[in-house]
Amino acid sequence: GAVVSQHPSWVICKSGTSVKIECRSLDFQATTMFWYRQFPKQSLMLMATSNEGSKATYEQGVEKDKFLINHASLTLSTLTVTSAHPEDSSFYICSATGQGGQPQHFGDGTRLSIL
Amino acid sequence: AQSVTQPDIHITVSEGASLELRCNYSYGATPYLFWYVQSPGQGLQLLLKYFSGDTLVQGIKGFEAEFKRSQSSFNLRKPSVHWSDAAEYFCAVGSDSWGKLQFGAGTQVVVTP
Repeated sequence: GAVVSQHPSWVICKSGTSVKIECRSLDFQATTMFWYRQFPKQSLMLMATSNEGSKATYEQGVEKDKFLINHASLTLSTLTVTSAHPEDSSFYICSATGQGGQPQHFGDGTRLSIL
Repeated sequence: AQSVTQPDIHITVSEGASLELRCNYSYGATPYLFWYVQSPGQGLQLLLKYFSGDTLVQGIKGFEAEFKRSQSSFNLRKPSVHWSDAAEYFCAVGSDSWGKLQFGAGTQVVVTP
């Protein structure tokens, strides 16, 4: 149980385009979802926390207009990287908690490469 | 503010040998503690968690961890490692059941034949 699916797993696109990443909880209702960014050989950096039906709470230093997060349902959250540039290339991971709270269940991540 | 320290960036262990990964945390109250494992290019898989109760917790894949309040530690152990245990291991701490986690820097485990 507690499966989180993330799509796509890998995306390559040109600089200036927008990219949407989906995070779905397949077998539970995700009241809270988290979006992380991970640089090579580094730990996870929390970008934002989103609760279903509410605006996301962004961590300090994360551009809200660059990284748009939508959590419109209890099973789906999306992260849109707008006008992506090479410096946005990274590994993005989502996680979700159900109504009982912890632990967080993680998706398999999305590797984003901006050319 | 809470923090998590994993002192060992890299550990090499022989297959069949025991493994211990260290994790120290800084937090005022009793934290929610987790160990996750990440294979290359993958997301994180929960190995085990501690919220309260018995301080020795059992997890998946033969792992266990012990919460020691006096040492502010939550070390992960496995009696006999398998080649498939080669991965990155993250310790994480949370302040409550709902909030965000603080992750350690991670420990990369290499398993040699």
